[in-house]
Amino acid sequence: EAGVAQSPRYKIIEKRQSVAFWCNPISGHATLYWYQQILGQGPKLLIQFQNNGVVDDSQLPKDRFSAERLKGVDSTLKIQPAKLEDSAVYLCASSQDRGGLSFFGQGTRLTVV
Amino acid sequence: AQKVTQAQTEISVVEKEDVTLDCVYETRDTTYYLFWYKQPPSGELVFLIRRNSFDEQNEISGRYSWNFQKSTSSFNFTITASQVVDSAVYFCALSEAGRGGADGLTFGKGTHLIIQP
Repeated sequence: EAGVAQSPRYKIIEKRQSVAFWCNPISGHATLYWYQQILGQGPKLLIQFQNNGVVDDSQLPKDRFSAERLKGVDSTLKIQPAKLEDSAVYLCASSQDRGGLSFFGQGTRLTVV
Repeated sequence: AQKVTQAQTEISVVEKEDVTLDCVYETRDTTYYLFWYKQPPSGELVFLIRRNSFDEQNEISGRYSWNFQKSTSSFNFTITASQVVDSAVYFCALSEAGRGGADGLTFGKGTHLIIQP
């Protein structure tokens, strides 16, 4: 069974530029999450989708971050404009059951300079 | 609000020693799930175990064991006879089940485990 796919693996941008990350969850997983992991810290939930609807975006900085999951499968996370403090690994995870059991992708490492 | 505390930032032991990673959690929900994930240097988070709040049975899986105690809000993880391949960052996490389907994980800061040969 294929795992969670993310691209790109690495991205370097200048502050105030925009960037987008893509995630393809495990086939059949209705729930998709985006997390931000700053160096030396645990991942922090940004947004949770159930199919193509948002379940929880309480920790998403909505002034600059947006995410969508149009057909209930793939998802994109966008940052516009990026700030230096957005430098982090962005992790996508998917789940097929209630209770948060999530399988993670390898992440996208973003560096904002 | 939920919170997970891993007080040990880094632990270094010699191979074959036993090591215990501590995790303390806070939640107001009566139904919740606790997790341990491993993050090796490659960066991908690997699921190790999930326990629900109604099941306090301790669990052993090979060299790994978990001790869940609701009375002290702790969910500790022990590796017996550690090996160099166990070197990684280990995260404890909590998911609350009673929030209208919102079950994203709250992670601790992680414990960096170093196993020296």
